[in-house]
Amino acid sequence: RKEVEQDPGPFNVPEGATVAFNCTYSNSASQSFFWYRQDCRKEPKLLMSVYSSGNEDGRFTAQLNRASQYISLLIRDSKLSDSATYLCVVTVYNFNKFYFGSGTKLNVKP
Amino acid sequence: DTEVTQTPKHLVMGMTNKKSLKCEQHMGHRAMYWYKQKAKKPPELMFVYSYEKLSINESVPSRFSPECPNSSLLNLHLHALQPEDSALYLCASSQDRTGPYEQYFGPGTRLTVT
Repeated sequence: RKEVEQDPGPFNVPEGATVAFNCTYSNSASQSFFWYRQDCRKEPKLLMSVYSSGNEDGRFTAQLNRASQYISLLIRDSKLSDSATYLCVVTVYNFNKFYFGSGTKLNVKP
Repeated sequence: DTEVTQTPKHLVMGMTNKKSLKCEQHMGHRAMYWYKQKAKKPPELMFVYSYEKLSINESVPSRFSPECPNSSLLNLHLHALQPEDSALYLCASSQDRTGPYEQYFGPGTRLTVT
């Protein structure tokens, strides 16, 4: 069983749409959660950390559900520039590893 | 400043060559990482250094040899690589090896083995 699972997509949405991605993790001892964005042939860039109470950064909202072991990312008012692959990352401190999901591809169309 | 730099950006090498990839960060981070990424796949962890000591080697073949000369620098020495080693090699750093610390990635070195 994979540590972190994501729907690979692609999600094809029109500009202005709201889109949501989910990510599930298998280790209940997981402690930190992140969303990264990766453009084609570029490095992953930190989009946002995910806090227990949920957090928002502009058009982006991240939520954590520890009971069901998933995190989500909501993007409102999608822009063409949001087209990328979104990686869910989970850490378990004692293991000193960052576990990556396989990524969800988003295509925002005009 | 959340910058991790990597050199070179691109590298083409033959199977008998020896080359090195370099990574540098000046954020005072004490954990540094090497990842390998193939197209359409997530980054795959290779090595973790914590306080300049190797703490994780993910059973990487010995033709890849990491080195951490100081807390800001990380090298990856390459020797006798195979064509299947062609990939994007990413360096990353984080404040510490444990705790709620984000990783920051360098732009990567795109390696082609001929």
